Amino acid sequence: EAGVTQFPSHSVIEKGQTVTLRCDPISGHDNLYWYRRVMGKEIKFLLHFVKESKQDESGMPNNRFLAERTGGTYSTLKVQPAELEDSGVYFCASSHPKGITHGGELFFGEGSRLTVL
Amino acid sequence: AQSVTQLGSHVSVSEGALVLLRCNYSSSVPPYLFWYVQYPNQGLQLLLKYTSAATLVKGINDFEAEFKKSETSFHLTKPSAHMSDAAEYFCAVSSGGSNYKLTFGKGTLLTVNP
Repeated sequence: EAGVTQFPSHSVIEKGQTVTLRCDPISGHDNLYWYRRVMGKEIKFLLHFVKESKQDESGMPNNRFLAERTGGTYSTLKVQPAELEDSGVYFCASSHPKGITHGGELFFGEGSRLTVL
Repeated sequence: AQSVTQLGSHVSVSEGALVLLRCNYSSSVPPYLFWYVQYPNQGLQLLLKYTSAATLVKGINDFEAEFKKSETSFHLTKPSAHMSDAAEYFCAVSSGGSNYKLTFGKGTLLTVNP
C-alpha cells in the first residue's frame, strides 16, 4: 500500500511568486492534515480536512495560504504571493476515519521543502 | 493550551549506550502522547503512542516510553543505541481534546558515535 506522497520534494522560488504543493493521502483516509516546520522551530498544525471539508484551519498563517481538497482525494496548498518567512518544510499527513482517539495514527509524507529567496 | 518541551535539542551517545530523550507535556485534559522519528530524507514515522492504556508503551526498534502523570513526562528510552538510530525525534501531544491536532516539541537530534 502506498504511503502519503508529496510533490514537489523541494521548491525554490523568489519572493512574490506562487507555489502549489500537492499531497496524496493513503487511500481510504478521510482525514488529511497539513503541518509546517520553519527552520529551528517546532512542527506546527496548519489545517485539517475531513473528506473535502475543512474541519479546522486555525493554524493557517494568513490569507496568502489556500488549501483545497476537491473530491476528497488529494489536496493542494497554494502560497500566493510567497514571502521569505514562508520557507520551511510542509508536511502532509493522513489518518483513518476513526482518528487518534480510536487508536489510529497520523501517517506523514516526506515533506515538501520550500525555499523562498 | 497544550505544549510539549523536549529537553536537549541535540543528544549524543555511544553505540551500545542507553538512549534517553526527555519529553514533558502540558495538557488540561488526559493526553494522548506520541513519539515520532524522522530519519534523514524521510518523513515522520510513528515510534510509539500512549492512548490511556498501559503506562509503559513499547514501540518499534526496541524503543519504549513511560507515561508519568505526576511528572507530566513521557521520556523515550532504548537500552542499547545502534548507529541506525541516528535521527531526529519528536514528542507530540494531542491538542485541545480533539482527536487530530498534534502539538509537537522542537525535536531532539540523536547522534550515535561508534
